[in-house]
Amino acid sequence: GAVVSQHPSWVICKSGTSVKIECRSLDFQATTMFWYRQFPKQSLMLMATSNEGSKATYEQGVEKDKFLINHASLTLSTLTVTSAHPEDSSFYICSARGSPIAEGRTDTQYFGPGTRLTVL
Amino acid sequence: KNQVEQSPQSLIILEGKNCTLQCNYTVSPFSNLRWYKQDTGRGPVSLTIMTFSENTKSNGRYTATLDADTKQSSLHITASQLSDSASYICVVTSWGGGFKTIFGAGTRLFVKA
Repeated sequence: GAVVSQHPSWVICKSGTSVKIECRSLDFQATTMFWYRQFPKQSLMLMATSNEGSKATYEQGVEKDKFLINHASLTLSTLTVTSAHPEDSSFYICSARGSPIAEGRTDTQYFGPGTRLTVL
Repeated sequence: KNQVEQSPQSLIILEGKNCTLQCNYTVSPFSNLRWYKQDTGRGPVSLTIMTFSENTKSNGRYTATLDADTKQSSLHITASQLSDSASYICVVTSWGGGFKTIFGAGTRLFVKA
């Protein structure tokens, strides 16, 4: 079964509003969480990496003031897209690093199901 | 430079046929290699994971192989089904100098009736 969940699975918002996406590791503590963005027919693009209790590390070209990441606990990370614009419309996927029992305690990344953001 | 290259970029096969996807990597030090299936509009789903000492691993109609000496992996799909149409992504994890995950660009598989 899934070991990483995301909420919501899809969201439609108006331009200028902010949207928060939650990522939870289920039944395991995630030492690190990752946020990716994927445009149609393209590969996953890493946006940022976050460790619990510390500031996220953003990839080059990703605006940290626009994409706010909060990693408040070992099982929860949130991505807030602030003042969203149509060009922010994309598929956002989180990933958690850990060793879930359900996966035989293999230490690697586990992906969430993704969140489809559409900004009108 | 740590890289993961996949081939072919895309592939079209008829339902019921077999196919093999390739993954070559230059990641070092190597920790594990994972094959994911990603349906359109969904997050990647793990198919297999292999560590250095494992040569082959199966998951239903999916069989992955790993040659750690030549740094090559393959994913063989047997008796393809329409639902196998997806992107298949090879991902290599390294622990050298910190935890790193290097993604291949993926192979887009189209299975036709």
